[in-house]
Amino acid sequence: DGGITQSPKYLFRKEGQNVTLSCEQNLNHDAMYWYRQDPGQGLRLIYYSQIVNDFQKGDIAEGYSVSREKKESFPLTVTSAQKNPTAFYLCASSIVSGSTEQFFGPGTRLTVL
Amino acid sequence: QQQVKQSPQSLIVQKGGISIINCAYENTAFDYFPWYQQFPGKGPALLIAIRPDVSEKKEGRFTISFNKSAKQFSLHIMDSQPGDSATYFCAASTDYKLSFGAGTTVTVRA
Repeated sequence: DGGITQSPKYLFRKEGQNVTLSCEQNLNHDAMYWYRQDPGQGLRLIYYSQIVNDFQKGDIAEGYSVSREKKESFPLTVTSAQKNPTAFYLCASSIVSGSTEQFFGPGTRLTVL
Repeated sequence: QQQVKQSPQSLIVQKGGISIINCAYENTAFDYFPWYQQFPGKGPALLIAIRPDVSEKKEGRFTISFNKSAKQFSLHIMDSQPGDSATYFCAASTDYKLSFGAGTTVTVRA
């Protein structure tokens, strides 16, 4: 059963804490992406990775960090430096980086208490 | 600052009617224009996509119209069904990056 899994589905954190969101894909895709979704704003790119051990900042990378040690995994850490972290976070992947279809995971809803 | 402007923000249509969502862009480097459908609490799923060398693409009840000179493209949902009630996002891509519109929430009344 191929696809993208994100965990957990819901996440609560206290202010000042770092938290890591998991994203795993078994589609053998080279490229992976992290987006943030807020009401009325569409999706905004946080980070993306075209190959293992390489990643680039997107439009809103401040307060976030990523790693890409394995092709199938692209975890996102929301640090305490992110001023407004409450949002819906979506991970995506595509065969190659570029103008091709991106497949999305089911998302993680992060709430800061 | 959104690179893709989408309208309307929401629309209500009767079952069997036509839903029309419009998007406009400025960056002429965009070379791929997908539409995504998203249900509440789920990730978006690709609905239909077009490249700028084509003016129209149809898949079932969904049609993209593309006007390269005007830098506009639109999604038409024909014979709208209650199951089509969702949020629809247009997007445009250049190189690695997808730029999304703000989304349109479509409600189909039975």
